[in-house]
Amino acid sequence: QVQLVQSGAEVKKPGASVKVSCEASGYIFTDYYIHWVRQAPGQGLEWMGTINPDSGNTRIAQNFQGRATMTRDTSTRIVYIDLTGLRSEDTAMYYCARGGISAPDVFQKWGQGTMVTVSS
Amino acid sequence: QSVLTQPPSASGTPGQTVTISCSGSRSNVGSNYVHWFQHLPGTAPKLLIYRSNERPSGVPDRFSGSKSGTSASLAIRGLRSEDEAEYYCAAWDDSLLWVFGGGTKLTVL
Repeated sequence: QVQLVQSGAEVKKPGASVKVSCEASGYIFTDYYIHWVRQAPGQGLEWMGTINPDSGNTRIAQNFQGRATMTRDTSTRIVYIDLTGLRSEDTAMYYCARGGISAPDVFQKWGQGTMVTVSS
Repeated sequence: QSVLTQPPSASGTPGQTVTISCSGSRSNVGSNYVHWFQHLPGTAPKLLIYRSNERPSGVPDRFSGSKSGTSASLAIRGLRSEDEAEYYCAAWDDSLLWVFGGGTKLTVL
């Protein structure tokens, strides 16, 4: 069955970077987009961007351009999101989600989430 | 400030029907499908309705979705205590990004 398993919780200081991983299994990795969505405490869901695991092409939401980078390793079936210049407002649960064969296709399956805490 | 507008809260008693609205614009809800997610605390969001009115396998037919123009709604019929959760609408926007509603916290009284 389709599974997305994310890396563990992180605690970072302001200004640092964090890299969260999302390991996919149970389907053809290169056939489906992976999206990243985050939820800050008490806030709603926020789309961060998406990566085409086949081409490696990404589309990053405007709020994260210049700070977020998405990459993938097709040999290990892992997608990564790297967020730099962390600030307290980046404290959130970060989710990866499998989309469809194109970017506008809905997120069908989500990872369990990775809590990132930014604190001095 | 979320791009799609949802009421922050909704409530109902067991057995009732509750409707949650989602309002957007021509570039998102007006021209693309609307999808709904159920989010229980401490768990990953779950796809509840896709393509505005389709249910993934395993989702009870008590849940239904509809869309008209730039608005959409989620209806939950025969409300149960386990339906207490946060509900989010989402849509692809023609600006090439995904947008979400702010979420509606459903309380079963």
